[in-house]
This record gives sequence, C-alpha cells and structure tokens, in this order.
Amino acid sequence: DPKIIQKPKYLVAVTGSEKILICEQYLGHNAMYWYRQSAKKPLEFMFSYSYQKLMDNQTASSRFQPQSSKKNHLDLQITALKPDDSATYFCASSQGDRGVANERLFFGHGTKLSVL
Amino acid sequence: AQRVTQVQPTGSSQWGEEVTLDCSYETSEYFYRIFWYRQLFSGEMVFLIYQPSFDTQNQRSGRYSVVFQKSFKSISLVISASQPEDSGTYFCALSELYNTNTGKLTFGDGTVLTVKP
Repeated sequence: DPKIIQKPKYLVAVTGSEKILICEQYLGHNAMYWYRQSAKKPLEFMFSYSYQKLMDNQTASSRFQPQSSKKNHLDLQITALKPDDSATYFCASSQGDRGVANERLFFGHGTKLSVL
Repeated sequence: AQRVTQVQPTGSSQWGEEVTLDCSYETSEYFYRIFWYRQLFSGEMVFLIYQPSFDTQNQRSGRYSVVFQKSFKSISLVISASQPEDSGTYFCALSELYNTNTGKLTFGDGTVLTVKP
C-alpha cells in the first residue's frame, strides 16, 4: 500500500483557474516537501515543512501556496494557473526532526498537471 | 551554489553486466550527502543509496554501491548483475547539511538506463 498518497494522479486545468493538489503521508514523518518535475528539467525543490511550519520556500511565485491542516498533510494550492505550470508535482516526506536535516526522502507517485 | 551534473543522458547494458552511472556536483559546503534515486516508469521515485561527504568509505547496499571521489567532486553509482527490472531513470541528488531543516535536494537531469535481456 502506498504510504504517501497524492491526489489526483492526473489533473487537467484551464489557464487562469485554481487547483489544489492533495498529499497525505502515513509514515509518521515530521517533515514534508513539494518538488516539481517539468519536461526536460530536473526535479526542483519547492517547499519544505517541518511540524507544519514552513522551513524553506524556493518558489518565486506566490501563486504556489502550501497548506498544512494536519501534521501528515501538505496540500499545494496553485492559483492563476499558466501553461508553464504544467509538470508532475511530487510530494515527499522524511523523518527529519528539528535540527536534523536532509534525511532520506520518501516520494509519492506524483500528480501530473496539464494546464491548457 | 549547488549543482549536479549527469553527463550520460542514456545508458544500456546486458543482463548480468555491471553498470556504472556517473555524477559530478558542485558545492562549497564541507558537509553534504549525495543520494541516488531511481524513477520507475510509473513516475515513483525510489531511494537507492546515499554517501555522506565525511565518510571515506564507499557505501554499499545490496547490488548498489558507489565510487566516491570527493576531491574530484564526483560519484558513480555501480549496479552489479544488472537485470531488465533495473531499467528506469537514475537521479543523483545533492543535499547540503549546512541548510538545516530545509530538506532541499538538488537533482541532476538523470540517466535513462536500459538493461537488455
């Protein structure tokens, strides 16, 4: 059974719309992350959360907003979608405790977003 | 700034052969880790092995091992007795420990490996 659940697996959106990508992890981890994989680009770090607090944000645009309602949830809200936002978005988690960084990451299967 | 380069976009081997995938990186930090992940055709990213910078011993995990050349800032993933099921995209990733609590990995472009039966 997958321990990191991402919903939906595929998502098609129109330009200018807003979507929320869901991520839940059942590994008991304290840290969660979002990465993006665009066509012909390496996987890019977007956000990291530890104990539901933002630790790092490498996303230039405020259109991307992570939302953590529970320790094991980290959703990603994307507003005013653009075709350039088309990518596969991966959620990940790690054991990482405060003061312990860069643990081994476990990834979800990803949400493939296509913006038309 | 950190950067990871995988110069081999593709690689291939025959069943049973040993495969070596190369990675070089740039970092100004003394403490860091290099991770290897494999992306399955489904898209799932699977952790394989990691090498801490302060450990001079090459890490090994099952059929995976690394050849760590710290002075050259290069690291190779070695897969012994390759099998067709090993086919997929292999990513090298750098994690700088100085950036505490960020969990940020910097990935290379990946190498698509095909193991022929």
